[in-house]
Amino acid sequence: GAVVSQHPSRVICKSGTSVKIECRSLDFQATTMFWYRQFPKKSLMLMATSNEGSKATYEQGVEKDKFLINHASLTLSTLTVTSAHPEDSSFYICSAPTGTGETQYFGPGTRLLVL
Amino acid sequence: AQSVTQLDSQVPVFEEAPVELRCNYSSSVSVYLFWYVQYPNQGLQLLLKYLSGSTLVKGINGFEAEFNKSQTSFHLRKPSVHISDTAEYFCAVSDTGSFQKLVFGTGTRLLVSP
Repeated sequence: GAVVSQHPSRVICKSGTSVKIECRSLDFQATTMFWYRQFPKKSLMLMATSNEGSKATYEQGVEKDKFLINHASLTLSTLTVTSAHPEDSSFYICSAPTGTGETQYFGPGTRLLVL
Repeated sequence: AQSVTQLDSQVPVFEEAPVELRCNYSSSVSVYLFWYVQYPNQGLQLLLKYLSGSTLVKGINGFEAEFNKSQTSFHLRKPSVHISDTAEYFCAVSDTGSFQKLVFGTGTRLLVSP
């Protein structure tokens, strides 16, 4: 199946700093990627849709100035958590559809801990 | 708006026993349905999907699911579980119009014990 990678897998940062998370489609091109956030023992919540060459589309309630998304190429999308606070600590997962688009492949996730 | 309900937050079962994880959805339009598995501290892996055609779908690791339109259900089954099946299982739905946007259920933790 298709492979999606994320980097880093874990990151610890101080409150007030910014953190960048990368999502890459390794063996296919993705004009669209999705960013999810998962709270402990909870389901995945879609944060935003990353579109190659255009602005991201954010879900209701997600602060676009706090969660900056850049889809610079057909294989790379980045999520930057700006001025991170402890409440931003979470598991962030990206996904990308392939083929005709009905199926998404997920990255392994990034565990963010803000101290 | 779509929603997915996984009523069982946790399902304990003994090894080699059969298991069913329940999933019900609500949607006013045609849907695609998915089951994903998540192992600790990992991303999601696709188990199986229903797009169209036969309502009985077979997936990886011996899992299967049946789409029941009248009951708006997509329950996941396995006739004999292994210890290694211990994980979190998520049911997800998307409508065929905006099929890339998935709505997930809250997940069911399958605990397989010897």
